[in-house]
Amino acid sequence: EIVLTQSAATLSVSPGERVTLSCRASQSVSSNLAWYQQKPGQAPSLLIHGASTRATGIPDRFSGSGSGTEFSLTISSLQSEDFAVYYCQQYLKWPLTFGGGTKVEIK
Amino acid sequence: QVQLVESGGGVVQPGRSLRLSCAASGFTFSNSAMYWVRQAPGKGLEWVAVIAYDGRNQFYADSVKGRFTISRDNSKNTLYLQMSSLRPDDTAVYFCANDRGVVTPTYYFDSWGQGTLVTVSS
Repeated sequence: EIVLTQSAATLSVSPGERVTLSCRASQSVSSNLAWYQQKPGQAPSLLIHGASTRATGIPDRFSGSGSGTEFSLTISSLQSEDFAVYYCQQYLKWPLTFGGGTKVEIK
Repeated sequence: QVQLVESGGGVVQPGRSLRLSCAASGFTFSNSAMYWVRQAPGKGLEWVAVIAYDGRNQFYADSVKGRFTISRDNSKNTLYLQMSSLRPDDTAVYFCANDRGVVTPTYYFDSWGQGTLVTVSS
């Protein structure tokens, strides 16, 4: 099983700041990595797939990068609606696996 | 737009069974692989099962293999999850999600339902 590690459980950030979240895979997943955002009481929603391709309707302040085992999600200027939990997911091998999540909270 | 509506959750005793449903609309259901993903209270996401667009192939997480069965009725645009031998650690919100790939899956989760809560407790 491919284990995804999101090293920061929580990041405290001020609105307008830039934040980068990390996701490390236990083995290479090439670019088969997606990012999701989950707000309290809501379902997750797709942000990024293919490591760097924004999903439909996702604003360009969200960007993904990386390949192999090291990935990052950057939010260039945090808006109030961006405070949420973010998960990475690999889809190279079964079972499909998620990272443990990073909560971005207001500083 | 894509709409996925889960139903069938509730409180069930350990060892009993429950069937979840997911009604789909806004996309060509019969062309899309479908998934179940769950989230235990206060925890992260766990993929549970996937079914191919035509229902011919299914894969399961080890944690549910042999106990859960995913199925679909393309004539009704509905996805199912039959859960048996339920255990307390199956307690979670269960989400259905679709695959944006047409016939060929992408294996990431494009749109999600709001989820249905299953609580396994005596």
